[in-house]
Amino acid sequence: GQQVMQIPQYQHVQEGEDFTTYCNSSTTLSNIQWYKQRPGGHPVFLIQLVKSGEVKKQKRLTFQFGEAKKNSSLHITATQTTDVGTYFCAGSMSGGTSYGKLTFGQGTILTVHP
Amino acid sequence: KAGVTQTPRYLIKTRGQQVTLSCSPISGHRSVSWYQQTPGQGLQFLFEYFSETQRNKGNFPGRFSGRQFSNSRSEMNVSTLELGDSALYLCASSQGLAGEVWHFGPGTRLTVT
Repeated sequence: GQQVMQIPQYQHVQEGEDFTTYCNSSTTLSNIQWYKQRPGGHPVFLIQLVKSGEVKKQKRLTFQFGEAKKNSSLHITATQTTDVGTYFCAGSMSGGTSYGKLTFGQGTILTVHP
Repeated sequence: KAGVTQTPRYLIKTRGQQVTLSCSPISGHRSVSWYQQTPGQGLQFLFEYFSETQRNKGNFPGRFSGRQFSNSRSEMNVSTLELGDSALYLCASSQGLAGEVWHFGPGTRLTVT
C-alpha cells in the first residue's frame, strides 16, 4: 500500500536557525497537505499543494511539491519558540478508493532552544 | 464557524469493554474521517463517511466500526477493547469532494487498562 516517509524524526535547533523536513511517497500523489501538532494538541492544517513543482510561502514557512508529485518539503526560516511542535505531511491519492484517506508521514518533532 | 468537536475528550475503559466516540463536523461539511494516533504507529486512517455511507476503510479489525447520521454527525465504536487500543482518536471533516482539505477535531484520548 501507499507509504509516506518523513525525515528527520527529530530536529533540535537554536532559535534563529533554519529547519527543514522532507517527505517521500511510494506513489504519485494527487495532493499533499501539511499539518502542525503542538504538544497535547491536534493536527492543524497549514497548507495544501496540488500542482507539480508548486512552491507556496506563508511568512517564514516555504512549502514545495516535487515535479513528480512524490516528494515534498517544509522549510522554516529563522525558527522561533512558537514553531515548536510536530510537523506532518499527509498525502492524498485520487480515485474512489482514496476518499477521505490521508496517508501521514511519521512526523518531525521540532524543538527550538531559546 | 465552529470547528470540529469531539466528545468525550478523555475516557478510561477496562479491557473487554466497548466504547463509543462522537464527532460533530464543521457546519456544512458532509464528510467525516476517523484516525487513530499512537506514538508507535503515528496517524492511521480508520474510515471515512459521506452522506451516511462508508466510502473508505483502513486496515483495522472488525472491532472498529462507525456510522454517520443524517446531520453528518458521526460515531465510532470499538468493541472488546484491548490494551493496544489506547490512543488519541481524531475525527476530521471536509465538504466531501476529492482532494479537499481536512480539518481535525481535538480528539478523544482513550486509555484502556
